[in-house]
Amino acid sequence: DTEVTQTPKHLVMGMTNKKSLKCEQHMGHRAMYWYKQKAKKPPELMFVYSYEKLSINESVPSRFSPECPNSSLLNLHLHALQPEDSALYLCASRHTGEGSYTFGSGTRLTVV
Amino acid sequence: GENVEQHPSTLSVQEGDSAVIKCTYSDSASNYFPWYKQELGKRPQLIIDIRSNVGEKKDQRIAVTLNKTAKHFSLHITETQPEDSAVYFCAASKARGRGSTLGRLYFGRGTQLTVWP
Repeated sequence: DTEVTQTPKHLVMGMTNKKSLKCEQHMGHRAMYWYKQKAKKPPELMFVYSYEKLSINESVPSRFSPECPNSSLLNLHLHALQPEDSALYLCASRHTGEGSYTFGSGTRLTVV
Repeated sequence: GENVEQHPSTLSVQEGDSAVIKCTYSDSASNYFPWYKQELGKRPQLIIDIRSNVGEKKDQRIAVTLNKTAKHFSLHITETQPEDSAVYFCAASKARGRGSTLGRLYFGRGTQLTVWP
């Protein structure tokens, strides 16, 4: 298995809803990432997990809450989001000490 | 931290012509430079990458060159085709050595490439 799987592919949520994004990989990668991407802009780093520990939080608002239950899974819990949070959310993973990332296909999030 | 500049922001070429996209980086410790192609609504797709111990790498119609002294790397696409139309992002990272465990990517702002038939 050489893929990063993200679910759901599309999500529409209200500003009072609570939802979660899921990311899974079975390549043995111990570094996992959440990126947020707006149209035609580069991905913006949100969080980095290394060996299941949160290593980088790029000053992301607390309405986004990451979780890494094990070495294969990464979740992003969402609550009280704003319309400007609508974006493509990308998960990625890589072997620590190696350069090449594997990106998931992303979750297209719309906040109404 | 690292700062990656990418030019041009838009590029239009005729089918069959060559396209060149250029990036500069600021951190001399960066040693891994990937290029991503992203079609509308899809994930970034790695098309080629180069490490700092190599000056040039080629894969069919795509090549990347790296000048470590000038902190400059470029993507070259020859014999362009309409299906090459997409947004291209360069990036820089520390793939090995101190700071490589986290391996965060620093992206350029992207180049919208349009290939006209």
